Amino acid sequence: NAGVTQTPKFQVLKTGQSMTLQCAQDMNHEYMSWYRQDPGMGLRLIHYSVGAGITDQGEVPNGYNVSRSTTEDFPLRLLSAAPSQTSVYFCASSTGTGNTGELFFGEGSRLTVL
Amino acid sequence: GNSVTQMEGPVTLSEEAFLTINCTYTATGYPSLFWYVQYPGEGLQLLLKATKADDKGSNKGFEATYRKETTSFHLEKGSVQVSDSAVYFCALSDRPGTSGSRLTFGEGTQLTVNP
Repeated sequence: NAGVTQTPKFQVLKTGQSMTLQCAQDMNHEYMSWYRQDPGMGLRLIHYSVGAGITDQGEVPNGYNVSRSTTEDFPLRLLSAAPSQTSVYFCASSTGTGNTGELFFGEGSRLTVL
Repeated sequence: GNSVTQMEGPVTLSEEAFLTINCTYTATGYPSLFWYVQYPGEGLQLLLKATKADDKGSNKGFEATYRKETTSFHLEKGSVQVSDSAVYFCALSDRPGTSGSRLTFGEGTQLTVNP
């Protein structure tokens, strides 16, 4: 029962470095998304995808890139890390048409940018 | 735009106390409503949901009723346990049943239950 798998779980970067957070799901879900969680602000949507080859911006997309080349994978790229991107990142997926909005979450990736 | 407002936390209760966490929302149309729970060190998981007005979602002793007239979805539990200590998030889905459905989350409420 893998579900949604995120790697790495922890990462420390220096300002200006780049990295990719990996996300994979084995439930054949059409919809995948990335959220960031910050104290007192709940979860905010960064980017999402409704299927392979289709991505769109969420509420806070600046500084992040995504791509969706397969149904299973949805990596999140930080091109030039900034301290404001210190956060906990969650990948989530759901079924497509007919779903009631329920998301399945990974365990999170804690990123610190110095 | 859509928004979800939860009561401010943190909330600290003794075991077997009654729990209420308030949640109100702003949305157009007919959103679906959710409560998610996040245990320490874990991702969020669905606790309960309601998809139309007057629906009551329930799970693990928790309940919430979709009140369209007051745009609320308050979470309640009659007798909390230490194991209920977690962060609780209220959320709405603006286009349920579509592939583009997106969730809007509240700020989260930290619950601590002491023995």
